[in-house]
Amino acid sequence: KAGVTQTPRYLIKTRGQQVTLSCSPISGHRSVSWYQQTPGQGLQFLFEYFSETQRNKGNFPGRFSGRQFSNSRSEMNVSTLELGDSALYLCASSPGGRDRAYEQYFGPGTRLTVT
Amino acid sequence: AQSVTQLDSQVPVFEEAPVELRCNYSSSVSVYLFWYVQYPNQGLQLLLKYLSGSTLVESINGFEAEFNKSQTSFHLRKPSVHISDTAEYFCAVREIQGAQKLVFGQGTRLTINP
Repeated sequence: KAGVTQTPRYLIKTRGQQVTLSCSPISGHRSVSWYQQTPGQGLQFLFEYFSETQRNKGNFPGRFSGRQFSNSRSEMNVSTLELGDSALYLCASSPGGRDRAYEQYFGPGTRLTVT
Repeated sequence: AQSVTQLDSQVPVFEEAPVELRCNYSSSVSVYLFWYVQYPNQGLQLLLKYLSGSTLVESINGFEAEFNKSQTSFHLRKPSVHISDTAEYFCAVREIQGAQKLVFGQGTRLTINP
C-alpha cells in the first residue's frame, strides 16, 4: 500500500496570508490526525477527523481549521498566518475503528515558513 | 491529561556501544505506549509499541523497550548502536479509551560517533 502523502512538502508564506495543506491517508484508513512540530513546543496535536467529522481537537486558536472529504483525504487551513506558525505539519492516518489498538502512520510533513 | 518526559534531550554514544533513552509518563487513565523515530527531514516512523501482554517489546532493528507500570516508565534500549541509528527519538502515549491523540515527549537526539 502507498503511504501517507502530504502536499506541498515545502511552503513559504507571508504574515497575514492563509495556507491550506493537504493529506492523503493510506487506502482504507478513515482517521486522519494533524500535528504541529516546532523546536520550542515539540509535537502537538491539532485535531483528528474520522468519517468527515472532527472527533478531537487540540488546544490551538480558531485560525487553525480542518476538514475531511468522503475519500478520507484531509486538509488543514491556517488563516492570518503569524511568524509562530512556522513549523513542520505532520499528518497521521489510522484505521480509526472500534479496535483502538492500532498504530498511526505519519506522512513526511509539510514544512511551512512564515516570513 | 497525560504528559511524557524524556529525561535526556541529547545522548551521544560511540558506535557499537549500548544506549538507553529514558521515558517517563504521567496519566490518570490507562494508556498505550509508543516509541517513534524521526530521521532528518522526514516524518515519524513507529519503532515499537506496548499495547498489552509482555512488558518487553522488541523492534526488528534491535531496539527494545520495557514497560514498567510501577515506575510509569517505558525506556528504550539497544545493546549495540550503529551510525544509521542517528536520529531523534520520541516517546508517546495514547489513551486506551479516550481521545485518539498521541501525547509526545520532547524528544531525544541520539548521535552516534565513530
